[in-house]
Amino acid sequence: SAVISQKPSRDICQRGTSLTIQCQVDSQVTMMFWYRQQPGQSLTLIATANQGSEATYESGFVIDKFPISRPNLTFSTLTVSNMSPEDSSIYLCSVEDKRAVSYNEQFFGPGTRLTVL
Amino acid sequence: KNQVEQSPQSLIILEGKNCTLQCNYTVSPFSNLRWYKQDTGRGPVSLTIMTFSENTKSNGRYTATLDADTKQSSLHITASQLSDSASYICVVKGPLGGGADGLTFGKGTHLIIQP
Repeated sequence: SAVISQKPSRDICQRGTSLTIQCQVDSQVTMMFWYRQQPGQSLTLIATANQGSEATYESGFVIDKFPISRPNLTFSTLTVSNMSPEDSSIYLCSVEDKRAVSYNEQFFGPGTRLTVL
Repeated sequence: KNQVEQSPQSLIILEGKNCTLQCNYTVSPFSNLRWYKQDTGRGPVSLTIMTFSENTKSNGRYTATLDADTKQSSLHITASQLSDSASYICVVKGPLGGGADGLTFGKGTHLIIQP
């Protein structure tokens, strides 16, 4: 199974600032996903990060607000820009591991808990 | 619209007791259904993955069932332990479901095990 680490694990930020979240995977993966999990809500896909191309954003999410980098097959960053209290959430990095015994199993990082004041 | 509904929203049981969590979905066509456990402050961890042809799958004290005809799944936890306290998320994968990941997530059932 893929092992995923995220930095920071949590942060408290001021309104109007930006935070960059890092995601590191212990193996090369083609697709990396960024999710947001608001309190009491299900996971919502923000974007898919493919190495060597622009990230693909889901409806309701834009690159200016959530710029993503994918410099290689084991690393990605998500930036939450010009933050407001509504951005307070857990942000999760995820990968599909096609080396699973069957199915394309999805693995999640531990998450970054963001609080915006 | 593809949806995954879970019940109950929250559940409190005593240590050692059994419990069953429910998941109803409307995702179609259907590829597979997954149950994840999410401890507080952690990312979701896969418990089971079931395809259309599978009715039951076990992982230790966790047993998932699937009725693809009625689009219902359940997760049964036997002899609960304090470490079972977590959120349990039902996730359905379909070729056209959800976003680019093909996944539709439920909101989860928050389970608390009391000593």
